[in-house]
Amino acid sequence: AQRVTQPEKLLSVFKGAPVELKCNYSYSGSPELFWYVQYSRQRLQLLLRHISRESIKGFTADLNKGETSFHLKKPFAQEEDSAMYYCALERGAQKLVFGQGTRLTINP
Amino acid sequence: NAGVTQTPKFQVLKTGQSMTLQCAQDMNHEYMSWYRQDPGMGLRLIHYSVGAGITDQGEVPNGYNVSRSTTEDFPLRLLSAAPSQTSVYFCASSYPGTGELFFGEGSRLTVL
Repeated sequence: AQRVTQPEKLLSVFKGAPVELKCNYSYSGSPELFWYVQYSRQRLQLLLRHISRESIKGFTADLNKGETSFHLKKPFAQEEDSAMYYCALERGAQKLVFGQGTRLTINP
Repeated sequence: NAGVTQTPKFQVLKTGQSMTLQCAQDMNHEYMSWYRQDPGMGLRLIHYSVGAGITDQGEVPNGYNVSRSTTEDFPLRLLSAAPSQTSVYFCASSYPGTGELFFGEGSRLTVL
């Protein structure tokens, strides 16, 4: 069964410190993985997708098929990064399986 | 361009009542879907549609009905509300093959 696990419900770091949000998945085929973000009082929106291998707002995520992980990283956290982050796996036809979410708080 | 519009934003129902959550998108997206968001469980897919006239079940379809008569609209019907359906509901739309879902603002439903 396809499953996405985000082991940390809450993560708190200081401004300027590195951030890593963990995501592990189980999927039998070639996974399509995404990170979505929901800022306070805003809609849930796509942050980045593994296939594009891009950096958005300083965040990157590398797919590690051996460890079945897709961790989200940023070298220097900023206060505006505080948000709810969801890792998601596509299981065909744009149907996403979401992780439980991690609430990231950046302390000044 | 309004994107994805959901109504109502808030609703309180009594057990056994029925209601419809409305969802409309103006981006001409083929794919539309409904998710529910519960604390500690992330978002779970209820129903989805790959085009007008085509719908299918997601992970948690029981107690919900959908129809897709037009490309723009994808209403979600609760047939007989139960307290277990207390949740925040999100509608989303997308182009096929992109993986990028555009979400509505959400509808918070409480069933007493």
